[in-house]
Amino acid sequence: DVVVTQSPLSLTLTVGQPASISCKSSESLAYSDGNTYLNWYHQRPGQSPRRLLYLVSDRDSGVPDRFTGSGSETDFTLTISRVEAGDVGVFYCMQGTHWPWTFGQGTKVEIK
Amino acid sequence: EVKLVESGGGLVQPGGSLKLSCAASGFTFSGSAVHWVRQSSGRGLEWLGRMRSKPHNYATDYATSVKGRFTISRDDSKNMAYLQMNGLRTEDTAIYYCTRHALAVVDFDDWGQGTLVTVSS
Repeated sequence: DVVVTQSPLSLTLTVGQPASISCKSSESLAYSDGNTYLNWYHQRPGQSPRRLLYLVSDRDSGVPDRFTGSGSETDFTLTISRVEAGDVGVFYCMQGTHWPWTFGQGTKVEIK
Repeated sequence: EVKLVESGGGLVQPGGSLKLSCAASGFTFSGSAVHWVRQSSGRGLEWLGRMRSKPHNYATDYATSVKGRFTISRDDSKNMAYLQMNGLRTEDTAIYYCTRHALAVVDFDDWGQGTLVTVSS
């Protein structure tokens, strides 16, 4: 299985501060159809995961432009330009290029 | 509004079986693949498997960790999906989610609220 490794595993931030989460894959996530199937999810405490970004950098509806995805091949980054209180929870990256789809371990975000 | 509602979780002894159900509404269920994902404190989020729709011959794929023990099925006439779990182990203790996804389509990613399965003697 493709191993997806996130770092850091936890972040403690103040409101307004920027944040960056790395996601590295053990294999290239570029698919033969030209797409790169890398998603980012946010899971608030007690809730199911919610997808924020797909195809590396495309936002789902209602996702603020504070959230930006970048990267290619095996290295990807989620950047939050200004953290808000509602961003607490765990962020996960997930690859859908290779079966079985696999998730990173998650990055827990706390607000001071 | 898309809704996925899981049920059937509970306490089961090691080696036992359990069948989870997923009631779908708000979309054309028969045209969608259905997935199962679980989340545990020890293993994080883990994709278990999927069953594709009729045009794709209801093809299934499973994760190695559950292949041969877990079986996904569906009843399109009832908008229901199922996860039959046999030979349960303590490490199968998790919250189980029914989900649907399209990797390249905006807003096509939905999760149920999950149902807790505890495997313990």
